[in-house]
Amino acid sequence: QQQVKQSPQSLIVQKGGISIINCAYENTAFDYFPWYQQFPGKGPALLIAIRPDVSEKKEGRFTISFNKSAKQFSLHIMDSQPGDSATYFCAASNPTGTYKYIFGTGTRLKVLA
Amino acid sequence: NAGVTQTPKFQVLKTGQSMTLQCAQDMNHNSMYWYRQDPGMGLRLIYYSASEGTTDKGEVPNGYNVSRLNKREFSLRLESAAPSQTSVYFCASKGSNQPQHFGDGTRLSIL
Repeated sequence: QQQVKQSPQSLIVQKGGISIINCAYENTAFDYFPWYQQFPGKGPALLIAIRPDVSEKKEGRFTISFNKSAKQFSLHIMDSQPGDSATYFCAASNPTGTYKYIFGTGTRLKVLA
Repeated sequence: NAGVTQTPKFQVLKTGQSMTLQCAQDMNHNSMYWYRQDPGMGLRLIYYSASEGTTDKGEVPNGYNVSRLNKREFSLRLESAAPSQTSVYFCASKGSNQPQHFGDGTRLSIL
């Protein structure tokens, strides 16, 4: 019940295309859903996050879509660029006050020039 | 403003050796976390400290110990390293109403 399932494992997109990464969770008590971006040799960095009281959040070319009834959320990268090539992790926050995150297994995105 | 600083960046150990990974944050965050990252398995929580003076086990605590030395510092110790502990280790910290903020990791190989 604590798992966050992420797909696909890897993704190749042409420059200018849309990259879509999906995550699903089971624990309906999760109350915060961040996406992290990680470049090789670096730590994960927060990209965008959403709470379950909204269905969509957009920041520049990055959008999170959230479907509470289906217990799914997704990251959309519009107009994908080679500089977006990185590994992306979704996560869900345990609401017990310890702020623990449960991470998905990651998606390696490659954007072709 | 360095954020979360991890030392060392790289380390090679022999099986059975001990080692302490250091983590320090300068953001006055209350909570700190240790993760390991392995290919295809995402980030798995080893131990965390919700506040100064407290520590708790995460998903994969076996073979590790931690010390929350003060509000800034949270160390991870491998008492007797095993090849299965070869991984990239990340430390993170979190303040009120803020997301977790990660360091750049320690790459540890155990032969």
